[in-house]
Amino acid sequence: GIQVEQSPPDLILQEGANSTLRCNFSDSVNNLQWFHQNPWGQLINLFYIPSGTKQNGRLSATTVATERYSLLYISSSQTTDSGVYFCAVYGGSQGNLIFGKGTKLSVKP
Amino acid sequence: DAMVIQNPRYQVTQFGKPVTLSCSQTLNHNVMYWYQQKSSQAPKLLFHYYDKDFNNEADTPDNFQSRRPNTSFCFLDIRSPGLGDAAMYLCATSRGEQETQYFGPGTRLLVL
Repeated sequence: GIQVEQSPPDLILQEGANSTLRCNFSDSVNNLQWFHQNPWGQLINLFYIPSGTKQNGRLSATTVATERYSLLYISSSQTTDSGVYFCAVYGGSQGNLIFGKGTKLSVKP
Repeated sequence: DAMVIQNPRYQVTQFGKPVTLSCSQTLNHNVMYWYQQKSSQAPKLLFHYYDKDFNNEADTPDNFQSRRPNTSFCFLDIRSPGLGDAAMYLCATSRGEQETQYFGPGTRLLVL
């Protein structure tokens, strides 16, 4: 089945810094989502982005489907950005959302 | 606001005592999912419904069952919880298969 790898696994930032999170996937995908899991455990949709670039406030994402990767950019980070960021893809015959292991982000004041 | 609701947010049960977690949605989505998430791991799909069609993942233990009595509600039944079943249980919905999934806030289950 499709493999999803996220990097880095852990990231510590000072408030106000920018960061880039990466998601690599091993095969063609039909869809890709980025989620933020807050400290209370809720998974919040950030982007549905099978290809191209999208922006939402301080966050933006780019998926290059032909090269099998997606990037999530966080600018001017805030302490409320802390949590785990998951990339998840649909693809192949499995039909289910396949999650990466996540990037744990800690933003220090 | 359209949303996915899970109750209760925290559930404590005893070893071997059946427990039911509930999920409801106001999105009128066709597909509802149940995931299990253990500490520092990604969510793991247990099963999903497309309308009334039930789809069980191959490695979901028989101890876990689900019911979807109507479009809006879906239940997760754990028949005989073990200590290893302590986890966050997440419900999600999507309009169709392979479409954007929307998650509820989760129910954190503790087994004593």
